[in-house]
Amino acid sequence: GQNIDQPTEMTATEGAIVQINCTYQTSGFNGLFWYQQHAGEAPTFLSYNVLDGLEEKGRFSSFLSRSKGYSYLLLKELQMKDSASYLCAGGAGGSYIPTFGRGTSLIVHP
Amino acid sequence: DVKVTQSSRYLVKRTGEKVFLECVQDMDHENMFWYRQDPGLGLRLIYFSYDVKMKEKGDIPEGYSVSREKKERFSLILESASTNQTSMYLCASSLSVTDSPLHFGNGTRLTVT
Repeated sequence: GQNIDQPTEMTATEGAIVQINCTYQTSGFNGLFWYQQHAGEAPTFLSYNVLDGLEEKGRFSSFLSRSKGYSYLLLKELQMKDSASYLCAGGAGGSYIPTFGRGTSLIVHP
Repeated sequence: DVKVTQSSRYLVKRTGEKVFLECVQDMDHENMFWYRQDPGLGLRLIYFSYDVKMKEKGDIPEGYSVSREKKERFSLILESASTNQTSMYLCASSLSVTDSPLHFGNGTRLTVT
């Protein structure tokens, strides 16, 4: 299966910008997903990247570099409600089903 | 909007009991998934179904089985519950496996005592 790596925890200040990185195996890559999960709730879809480059959706943007096996989620103008776990998921190699990373817990301070 | 409904939010069972976790989706999705989520381990795939009566093992299928008799319903079965199966179980569905997002249910927190 896929080996997805992302930091365990990050902290940031309200109003700031934060970048959450994710690395994955490039062999047979099928695309990369980002999900947001608030404590006690189900994950919800944020973005999907399959081509190189940056995709912007309001305050959230996601970037992909296929050659480097690297993605990041960029959150601008952070709000307290952005405190959540952010999950990176991708499929590659022999598995067409996306595998999830362990998630990055983002804590936003006032 | 896709709605994925899991039958129970919280469940407490005893060791050795047979446990059924039910999941229903209303968007006619071909693909349905069962994950478990544990602190520090993230989401791990237990089983996946791509059509009625079709299933594939995920990363951690041991101790579990599944049933998909109707397209909208995907059941996870713990044949003989054990304490190490205490976890949050999440069901999901998707239109396509590789390039469509997963739509998750709200999860079932199962405690096995």
